[in-house]
Amino acid sequence: KNEVEQSPQNLTAQEGEFITINCSYSVGISALHWLQQHPGGGIVSLFMLSSGKKKHGRLIATINIQEKHSSLHITASHPRDSAVYICAVKSTGTASKLTFGTGTRLQVTL
Amino acid sequence: DAGITQSPRHKVTETGTPVTLRCHQTENHRYMYWYRQDPGHGLRLIHYSYGVKDTDKGEVSDGYSVSRSKTEDFLLTLESATSSQTSVYFCAISESGGSRDTQYFGPGTRLTVL
Repeated sequence: KNEVEQSPQNLTAQEGEFITINCSYSVGISALHWLQQHPGGGIVSLFMLSSGKKKHGRLIATINIQEKHSSLHITASHPRDSAVYICAVKSTGTASKLTFGTGTRLQVTL
Repeated sequence: DAGITQSPRHKVTETGTPVTLRCHQTENHRYMYWYRQDPGHGLRLIHYSYGVKDTDKGEVSDGYSVSRSKTEDFLLTLESATSSQTSVYFCAISESGGSRDTQYFGPGTRLTVL
C-alpha cells in the first residue's frame, strides 16, 4: 500500500461544477502539499498545509490531521483547470523529503 | 517562476551509453533534488543535495550518481543507461529543506533509452 493515496484517479467534470479531489496518507506528517501538473508537464505548488484550511482564488485545500486526510476543492471549474493534481507529504523525521501520490487527472469540459 | 532550467529537455540514447542531465538554478537555494516520473508511480526521489558537495540517496538511486560542485548546478549521471531508466526527470529546488519548505520544479527532461 502506498503511503499516499489519491482518489479518484481520473475525473471528468463540466464547466461550472464543484470538484473534490481526495488524499489519504498513512504516516505522521509535518506538512502536506498540493501541486498541479499542466498538460505540458510543468509542476507548480498550489498549497502547503499543516492544519486547517487554505484558500486561493477558486481553490480550497483542507486537512484533517487526526483522520490523515486532505481534500482539494475547485469551485466553478473551468477548462483551464484541466491538469493532474498531485498530493505530497513530508513525513515527520524525514527532513526535506516528499512522498508523492500518483495524481488525479482532471478534465473539465465545456 | 523560480529560475530553474534543465538541459537537455529531450534526449534519446542507446542502452549502455552514459548520460548526464543538468539542473541549473538562479535562486541560490540550498537544496536541490532529482526525481523521476513514470506512469502509475508518483514522483520518486533519486538523489538530493543539501549543499555544495553534500548529497544523499533517495528511494530509487540505483544506477544513478550525482554531483554538485557549485550552488547553482546539480548534475544527474546515468553511468550506463538501461531501458528501465526511460522516464521524465524533474529537478526541484527548495530554500532550506525544512518541514514547511516549498519545492519549485524545473520543466523536466524526457529521456528515452533504446
